[in-house]
Amino acid sequence: GDSVTQMEGPVTLSEEAFLTINCTYTATGYPSLFWYVQYPGEGLQLLLKATKADDKGSNKGFEATYRKETTSFHLEKGSVQVSDSAVYFCALPMNRDDKIIFGKGTRLHILP
Amino acid sequence: EPEVTQTPSHQVTQMGQEVILRCVPISNHLYFYWYRQILGQKVEFLVSFYNNEISEKSEIFDDQFSVERPDGSNFTLKIRSTKLEDSAMYFCASSLRTAYNSPLHFGNGTRLTVT
Repeated sequence: GDSVTQMEGPVTLSEEAFLTINCTYTATGYPSLFWYVQYPGEGLQLLLKATKADDKGSNKGFEATYRKETTSFHLEKGSVQVSDSAVYFCALPMNRDDKIIFGKGTRLHILP
Repeated sequence: EPEVTQTPSHQVTQMGQEVILRCVPISNHLYFYWYRQILGQKVEFLVSFYNNEISEKSEIFDDQFSVERPDGSNFTLKIRSTKLEDSAMYFCASSLRTAYNSPLHFGNGTRLTVT
């Protein structure tokens, strides 16, 4: 069945380091793909999305490219900040089901 | 920017009691959802709601759970007889179109503690 797998955390980096959080998916059809972020004590916020193969979603310096050939949607940022500390969730809509499913989440700690 | 609002932010209840969690979705959205998150871990789908009926529900959403849109603005989740394992963060979400084509907008959640 459809699923999404993302790298386990926590991930700890120093400020200004390069970030990659891996996400791969299994899906029927060609759904949109999403990254959501959850800051401490808050709900989930949409970070970025891509609607078709080779699309690149971007927001707040984060990017992710929808790669059909590798079924991946890895999240990257060139220079992280302390304020990026949060939990990041890769998400996939289910084909013909009215819901999205989330990966297990990756907790990111950025040290000053 | 319009947002989804949830009340209360924290609810404490005794096992066996009924609770109602309330949500006001974004006003022009047509699809509504409840998710839960236990101890900051995986976000689990509970139910989706469209056109005044449930469109999808998970195995978690058993007979103890129900949802309602009693008027044009509120969307509620009721748990009839709470169990200890119902303790979690419950998130309401809404979207303009079906989840396949449109991102979900989440509220800040209600923390439910069952004692």
